[in-house]
Amino acid sequence: GAVVSQHPSRVICKSGTSVKIECRSLDFQATTMFWYRQFPKQSLMLMATSNEGSKATYEQGVEKDKFLINHASLTLSTLTVTSAHPEDSSFYICSALSGGFYEQYFGPGTRLTVT
Amino acid sequence: KQEVTQIPAALSVPEGENLVLNCSFTDSAIYNLQWFRQDPGKGLTSLLLIQSSQREQTSGRLNASLDKSSGRSTLYIAASQPGDSATYLCAVKETSGSRLTFGEGTQLTVNP
Repeated sequence: GAVVSQHPSRVICKSGTSVKIECRSLDFQATTMFWYRQFPKQSLMLMATSNEGSKATYEQGVEKDKFLINHASLTLSTLTVTSAHPEDSSFYICSALSGGFYEQYFGPGTRLTVT
Repeated sequence: KQEVTQIPAALSVPEGENLVLNCSFTDSAIYNLQWFRQDPGKGLTSLLLIQSSQREQTSGRLNASLDKSSGRSTLYIAASQPGDSATYLCAVKETSGSRLTFGEGTQLTVNP
């Protein structure tokens, strides 16, 4: 099956700093990538949808200036959490969609802890 | 707005038991439905995907059914094993777009 990687898998940062998370589709080209966050014992909440070469579409309540998404190529999307605060601590998961819109492939997730 | 509900929220069974996880969705206009497994602190592993025109899919000890008109899907796990312990998530993909809407999940524990 298709493989999606995320880097880093775990990151700890201080409040006020910015953190970048990468999502890569390793063996296919992803026209669309999604970013989710997941709080403990809760389900995944979609944050934004990014299409290669265009601006991301953010879900209601998600601050686009705080969560910067860039999808510069068909195999890479990045999520930058700017001026991170402890409440941004969460599990961030990306997924990638191949051109056929058939199935989403998920990355292993990134655990962000803001101290 | 599509809403996905999973019942039960948690389930604990002895090893070897057959079990059924339930998923319901409010808008029957779906493109497909997917069942995932998530281990603690890990990402999602896709188990089964059912297209809207299909009634069921099988993979090993897993069988997923879809009744689109009633807005229901079930995941049947045969002869459960301790290694099946995980959270199982159901998600639907809407016809009008490519987003997935997730249920809250069922946390399964299979006791040896």
